[in-house]
Amino acid sequence: DGGITQSPKYLFRKEGQNVTLSCEQNLNHDAMYWYRQDPGQGLRLIYYSQIVNDFQKGDIAEGYSVSREKKESFPLTVTSAQKNPTAFYLCASSTRQEAFFGQGTRLTVV
Amino acid sequence: GENVEQHPSTLSVQEGDSAVIKCTYSDSASNYFPWYKQELGKRPQLIIDIRSNVGEKKDQRIAVTLNKTAKHFSLHITETQPEDSAVYFCAASRGANYGGSQGNLIFGKGTKLSVKP
Repeated sequence: DGGITQSPKYLFRKEGQNVTLSCEQNLNHDAMYWYRQDPGQGLRLIYYSQIVNDFQKGDIAEGYSVSREKKESFPLTVTSAQKNPTAFYLCASSTRQEAFFGQGTRLTVV
Repeated sequence: GENVEQHPSTLSVQEGDSAVIKCTYSDSASNYFPWYKQELGKRPQLIIDIRSNVGEKKDQRIAVTLNKTAKHFSLHITETQPEDSAVYFCAASRGANYGGSQGNLIFGKGTKLSVKP
């Protein structure tokens, strides 16, 4: 089903806590991305990585952090500095031809 | 950097009518323009794409056109059906001809298409 897996599907976080979203792909893609999706806002790029041990900020990186220690994995940490973290988070990996998306993680701050 | 504008944000059509979604981009170096469909509760999936050396591409009921001079591209769906109801995203990148990894895909904000029976 696309070879890219996000977990968990639903995540609840208390205010002030950091939380990490998992993204794993077995497609041997160099490039991986994290997007945030809010109602009426489409897909906004948080961070991206085009190669292992390298990543770049996207349009809305504040309050988020990532790592890319392995080609297969690109975890996203939502820190307590993110003021409005409740959203749907999508991870993707890509070739030059196509982007493949994970099923998404819905994060809710309680 | 690249900026992609997508219109309209919502579109409602009667079954059997055509639907057109338009996108403009700002980076003249962009050369790859995919369209993604996201059904309710599901992940976005590629439905059609076009590269800058082509002006039009068709796949059954869907087609995409590209005007490089004006920097805009459009998705056309003919003979719409209720199962076409979804959110559609356009995107642009420089990735088609770059060596190595994909250039970043910059997405439009999406169009929610509703097809009424």
